[in-house]
Amino acid sequence: DAGVTQSPTHLIKTRGQQVTLRCSPISGHKSVSWYQQVLGQGPQFIFQYYEKEERGRGNFPDRFSARQFPNYSSELNVNALLLGDSALYLCASSIPGQGNTEAFFGQGTRLTVV
Amino acid sequence: KNEVEQSPQNLTAQEGEFITINCSYSVGISALHWLQQHPGGGIVSLFMLSSGKKKHGRLIATINIQEKHSSLHITASHPRDSAVYICAVSGGSNYKLTFGKGTLLTVNP
Repeated sequence: DAGVTQSPTHLIKTRGQQVTLRCSPISGHKSVSWYQQVLGQGPQFIFQYYEKEERGRGNFPDRFSARQFPNYSSELNVNALLLGDSALYLCASSIPGQGNTEAFFGQGTRLTVV
Repeated sequence: KNEVEQSPQNLTAQEGEFITINCSYSVGISALHWLQQHPGGGIVSLFMLSSGKKKHGRLIATINIQEKHSSLHITASHPRDSAVYICAVSGGSNYKLTFGKGTLLTVNP
């Protein structure tokens, strides 16, 4: 069974551009979360989606948006890119429970903004 | 102050040594996670704990809920254990992980 897959693996964009990152969860997992990890730091929570609805949002500007599709895959969109958006973007899928649910991570998308 | 603090930030050991990485948290949690991240970025879940102790091979994780503290131990360390080890906590019905900054472990042969 395939794990969490993310695409693309690497991406270079110019300031001001827009980017879309994609995530396919493990089959049967209905919850997808997005995290941003800048170099030298732990990941920071961006969004959680469950059953196609946003269930949580971290402290990120409105330039960041996401959605979840009927097949539970998800896209993260970032508009008006800034140099500071350069980071590893991680997607995690899980079977949501009462918080005691193991998360499975993809390999991430490394975004470089120049 | 971060909600999840790890120590040490960097750790260098010789092959065969016993390793301990510590994690303290300041919020109420439903579970604590230990994760491993290799260069290139992918994160692998090692343990999820809500109480007591878990063991998997050479890895042992413990948690003290009253003291809000957890430790990850590696016995008979090996160069392939070199990675970043990250502590994260989750709580409530909204599945969100709050991460520490990670501990960079280097095991020399």
